[in-house]
Amino acid sequence: GQNIDQPTEMTATEGAIVQINCTYQTSGFNGLFWYQQHAGEAPTFLSYNVLDGLEEKGRFSSFLSRSKGYSYLLLKELQMKDSASYLCVQMDSNYQLIWGAGTKLIIKP
Amino acid sequence: GAVVSQHPSRVICKSGTSVKIECRSLDFQATTMFWYRQFPKQSLMLMATSNEGSKATYEQGVEKDKFLINHASLTLSTLTVTSAHPEDSSFYICSARAGDFQETQYFGPGTRLLVL
Repeated sequence: GQNIDQPTEMTATEGAIVQINCTYQTSGFNGLFWYQQHAGEAPTFLSYNVLDGLEEKGRFSSFLSRSKGYSYLLLKELQMKDSASYLCVQMDSNYQLIWGAGTKLIIKP
Repeated sequence: GAVVSQHPSRVICKSGTSVKIECRSLDFQATTMFWYRQFPKQSLMLMATSNEGSKATYEQGVEKDKFLINHASLTLSTLTVTSAHPEDSSFYICSARAGDFQETQYFGPGTRLLVL
């Protein structure tokens, strides 16, 4: 089957940096998304990677290595409002979305 | 974890026809289901929120008469795209939530609609 693996929960301190890792199966790939989802709200798009490398967007950056089936989301200068779930989502060769279960990020003062 | 299925996974139809997409929660009762739409390489867009036994709440700009949503049971919600046109071609994703706001939404795999 096709699996997305990401940690269930992470804790970080306000002002710090955190990296959320995600691995996926490399057979069939059309891109990798990261979403942020606050409790009770719809997911919010953060990034899309289809080529290897680092994409920087403000405090958030996303990295992709297609050969390794690996991505990470890097959050800098953490703020309390960054407490949310972060979803790693793969688009496969049929353009179907394979959703990770999400990483719940807890930010402590 | 909880499983949400969608059927069909992909559909091709002629302009003017109606298409029904089913969303089912397989191992839990979903008090709330969400319908999203996604264009290629773009973010999810929430279309509507449906609660079992009540009318769906549509987001601004989404035509309720065109996108009919029925949430007749705690495990099934349907989205019917009426009189489909090529611009309705998109990726439709449902998600389901078991309880209150703090509960996780579980997403279906999506349905790809192509209107010719």
